[in-house]
Amino acid sequence: AQSVTQLDSQVPVFEEAPVELRCNYSSSVSVYLFWYVQYPNQGLQLLLKYLSGSTLVKGINGFEAEFNKSQTSFHLRKPSVHISDTAEYFCAVRIQGAQKLVFGQGTRLTINP
Amino acid sequence: DGGITQSPKYLFRKEGQNVTLSCEQNLNHDAMYWYRQDPGQGLRLIYYSQIVNDFQKGDIAEGYSVSREKKESFPLTVTSAQKNPTAFYLCASSILTGNGELFFGEGSRLTVL
Repeated sequence: AQSVTQLDSQVPVFEEAPVELRCNYSSSVSVYLFWYVQYPNQGLQLLLKYLSGSTLVKGINGFEAEFNKSQTSFHLRKPSVHISDTAEYFCAVRIQGAQKLVFGQGTRLTINP
Repeated sequence: DGGITQSPKYLFRKEGQNVTLSCEQNLNHDAMYWYRQDPGQGLRLIYYSQIVNDFQKGDIAEGYSVSREKKESFPLTVTSAQKNPTAFYLCASSILTGNGELFFGEGSRLTVL
């Protein structure tokens, strides 16, 4: 069965510093990969997705992620964070041909001034 | 504007009472989903439906029931059999033959007193 591991449950960062949120998945077949963001007491919004093609994917709010097939990873990065980036971030994977999306446990990003 | 509407946003109930959470979408999506979110546990799939009058159990269906009488609507009932119903509930939808990208509602927070 496929699984998704977000390696850090919490990441504290200072404002304007770079950040990387790590995501690894287990699957031997082709996958689609997603990052979602959740602000307090709200639903999830799509940040970016990898379907095929270029392994570097750019999303909203200045985020980007890199798909690494050999390491089965899809880490999320931002070169300079803002207070407004404080939120929970979820990595998700779908095996091509399957119906369900499998989510990681989430990483809480806290930005300190 | 197309989207997913969940209601109510907040709900308080006494133990032993059934509650029904509403989810309506006007995105013309075939598939709809219910997730439960608890702190530190990510999103866990309760039920999903790919077509009217049909639905499948997810990973934690015990104590929950759903119906899909209309394409636009997928209500979730939290029954008295659910041992720990206090949680944040998220409804989502997707197109059936796409890449699996989910579109989420704003969520409903249920507190059982």
